[in-house]
Amino acid sequence: AQSVSQHNHHVILSEAASLELGCNYSYGGTVNLFWYVQYPGQHLQLLLKYFSGDPLVKGIKGFEAEFIKSKFSFNLRKPSVQWSDTAEYFCAVGSGRFGAGTRLTVKP
Amino acid sequence: ETGVTQSPTHLIKTRGQQVTLRCSSQSGHNTVSWYQQALGQGPQFIFQYYREEENGRGNFPPRFSGLQFPNYSSELNVNALELDDSALYLCASSMTENTEAFFGQGTRLTVV
Repeated sequence: AQSVSQHNHHVILSEAASLELGCNYSYGGTVNLFWYVQYPGQHLQLLLKYFSGDPLVKGIKGFEAEFIKSKFSFNLRKPSVQWSDTAEYFCAVGSGRFGAGTRLTVKP
Repeated sequence: ETGVTQSPTHLIKTRGQQVTLRCSSQSGHNTVSWYQQALGQGPQFIFQYYREEENGRGNFPPRFSGLQFPNYSSELNVNALELDDSALYLCASSMTENTEAFFGQGTRLTVV
């Protein structure tokens, strides 16, 4: 069965720090991978997606993610976080399988 | 603006009752997925409908059922409500079953 694991439940960073959120999935076939973000009081929205091609994908607001097929991973990164990045981040496989989420708190 | 709308936004029901939640998908999307999001958890996949047919189901009992209509809007029905059914119910539409999902704002269901 498909599953998605996000290893960090809550990450606290200071502004300008670098971010990496882990995501591993278990699925044997071709996968489409997503990162979604949920800002406080708002609904889930797409941050970035990987379907095929260049395994390093860039999304909105300076986020990027790298698909490493051999490791079944799709980690999210940002070189320098801002206070406005405080949100919950969800990794997903296809349109049905979400990880438990990682809460990111950025301190000003 | 995602274009996915859900109704109602909040709902309080008594244990044992039945509830119907509604979702209008984004224009051009023929796939609708429903999720349950408990407090502090990620969305849990309930089921997905593609062109009016169920196209996958998560680990939810049969008292969770759904429909998709010809205009691709959808309903989630839950019978014999239990206290643990209290959660945010999210609807998402997509162009196919494996593309990005666009979420509605959710329906907050409280079972007392």
